[in-house]
Amino acid sequence: KQEVTQIPAALSVPEGENLVLNCSFTDSAIYNLQWFRQDPGKGLTSLLLIQSSQREQTSGRLNASLDKSSGRSTLYIAASQPGDSATYLCAGTQGGSEKLVFGKGTKLTVNP
Amino acid sequence: EAGVAQSPRYKIIEKRQSVAFWCNPISGHATLYWYQQILGQGPKLLIQFQNNGVVDDSQLPKDRFSAERLKGVDSTLKIQPAKLEDSAVYLCASSAQGRGNSPLHFGNGTRLTVT
Repeated sequence: KQEVTQIPAALSVPEGENLVLNCSFTDSAIYNLQWFRQDPGKGLTSLLLIQSSQREQTSGRLNASLDKSSGRSTLYIAASQPGDSATYLCAGTQGGSEKLVFGKGTKLTVNP
Repeated sequence: EAGVAQSPRYKIIEKRQSVAFWCNPISGHATLYWYQQILGQGPKLLIQFQNNGVVDDSQLPKDRFSAERLKGVDSTLKIQPAKLEDSAVYLCASSAQGRGNSPLHFGNGTRLTVT
């Protein structure tokens, strides 16, 4: 059974810092991987999708990478802003499966 | 484009009562998902539809939960009878393709409280 671990569970940083969020899968055979953000009382918003043939995706100040040999992904946020405060979740599918399995998330607070 | 619509936003019921949630996905999205998110946890997939058909319902408690997707568009999720442990946020999502090949778009969810 695929399980997803996100480290750290919570992170508080001052505005302007660069930061890295981590995600690891018990089964490294990840097919696709997505990073989401969730604001309080809201649904999830898709940030980045790394498809099976890719290793990295970038959008603005966000960069996500996937190491398929180890089943680990990182989300890099450059020059963090208070508006980045949210919970960040990663989720992945395995080859042959339709199911997207989520981690518990990392709660990020960026202090002005 | 209009997002995923869900209703109601909040629902409070007593245990053993029944409840239904409604979802309207993004137009043209073939894949529809229902997730359960308990406070402090990541979303757990309950059921996934591809058009009208079910592709995964392995984690759906079928003795009390049911779901349908009419004409491959709207979907309803029902719980009957509800238990205290069903208190959670129920999220609907849709995507253009399955298998995580395209981004998932989520609605704002229905927060269910069972007393």
